[in-house]
Formats: sequence, C-alpha cells, structure tokens
Amino acid sequence: DQQVKQNSPSLSVQEGRISILNCDYTNSMFDYFLWYKKYPAEGPTFLISISSIKDKNEDGRFTVFLNKSAKHLSLHIVPSQPGDSAVYFCASTHPYNQGGKLIFGQGTELSVKP
Amino acid sequence: GAGVSQSPSNKVTEKGKDVELRCDPISGHTALYWYRQSLGQGLEFLIYFQGNSAPDKSGLPSDRFSAERTGGSVSTLTIQRTQQEDSAVYLCASSPPTGVWGETQYFGPGTRLLVL
Repeated sequence: DQQVKQNSPSLSVQEGRISILNCDYTNSMFDYFLWYKKYPAEGPTFLISISSIKDKNEDGRFTVFLNKSAKHLSLHIVPSQPGDSAVYFCASTHPYNQGGKLIFGQGTELSVKP
Repeated sequence: GAGVSQSPSNKVTEKGKDVELRCDPISGHTALYWYRQSLGQGLEFLIYFQGNSAPDKSGLPSDRFSAERTGGSVSTLTIQRTQQEDSAVYLCASSPPTGVWGETQYFGPGTRLLVL
C-alpha cells in the first residue's frame, strides 16, 4: 500500500507565480516530513522538512505546511523560478523506523515557464 | 568535499545474470541506505546500515537481493539472477551520526540498471 501519495504527477506554473505541491499520508505514526528535489540524472537533494509538532516551516521562498488532522502536507514555492523545474518528492518517517528510513511519494514534476 | 558516489552510472545486463552496484558514502557518515526508483514510481526503501549494527533488510523485494557494507564505509548491492522488473535507478544515500530518524540523507547520482 502507498503510505505517502502525491496525486499530481505534474504541475506547470508561470515564473513569478506560486507553486503548490501536495502530499497525503496514511500512517498517523509518521512524525517527520521532508521534501526532496531531484534533477534528471542526479540524486535527490534535501529541500525542507517539518516536524509534526509544527504546522509550518519556512525557508526563503519555500514553505511547508502540515495539516495533521487531514494527514496532508504541502510545499509552497513563491515566487517560482525556472530553476525550480524539477521532480519534487515528499517523504515521511516515524519513530519505529529506526535510523531514518524514509517513505517516499511518487513525485511531482514541476515545470516553471518563463 | 566529495559527495556520495555510485558506480557504475549505467548498467545493461541480460536476464539471469548477476550484477553488483557500488556506493561510496560521504566520509564520516555512519548510516547508509539503498533505495530504488522504478519507472513512474517513487523511491522505494531497500536496506539500511548503521555502524556495526545488523542491517535493516525489510525493504529487499526478494532473496535475490543482498547488500553488504565493508569496514563501515563502501557498500555493495548485489542482485542475483536479474529479472526485467529489476530495471530501475538504484540510489544510495548516507547520513551523519548526529541524528536518528530526523536526519536528512545525502543521495548519490544513482545507478541506472536495465535488464534485457
């Protein structure tokens, strides 16, 4: 079963506008969430994370929101830039996954058009 | 400083052959993970090493898959009698010893495996 879901395989936005990427999870034991960004032929790179004790974490143009009751998180990028075009993966983990084993979603490919 | 490196970058093999994929983690990182990404899928956890502890093999899809980590550094993922469904990008990640489940992981570029 897919414990972490990204239901939108792709998203296209105009440069300067907001990009919103969504992620849903099913396991209520998950308590730490991360977003990774991946360019073609490269490994994913860490972008931003959030603990379940928070509902928002902001880092520059990137903000992650967590709604625990809905088991939903989202990544906001504003303003979007062409260099943000990549595949974005959300991931989660929970304390019984000793060592930080991450459960990833399927990814959303973001395209930011000039 | 050097990041996580993986070799080969690409591997084409025939069904039934064995393959070995190599991962060199970042120096000083005690945790090492293997994931794979099949076409159109997310990253799927395979196996995890932490120091001298017994590895977490819970993600290995079959007994054809095995991995070892020698000297707490380099790791090799071996797939025996490869099948076409093994075709995927195999990603290695390492993590420093300062955290446990919250630590971020640093990924290598991956090995793209194609089984004909």
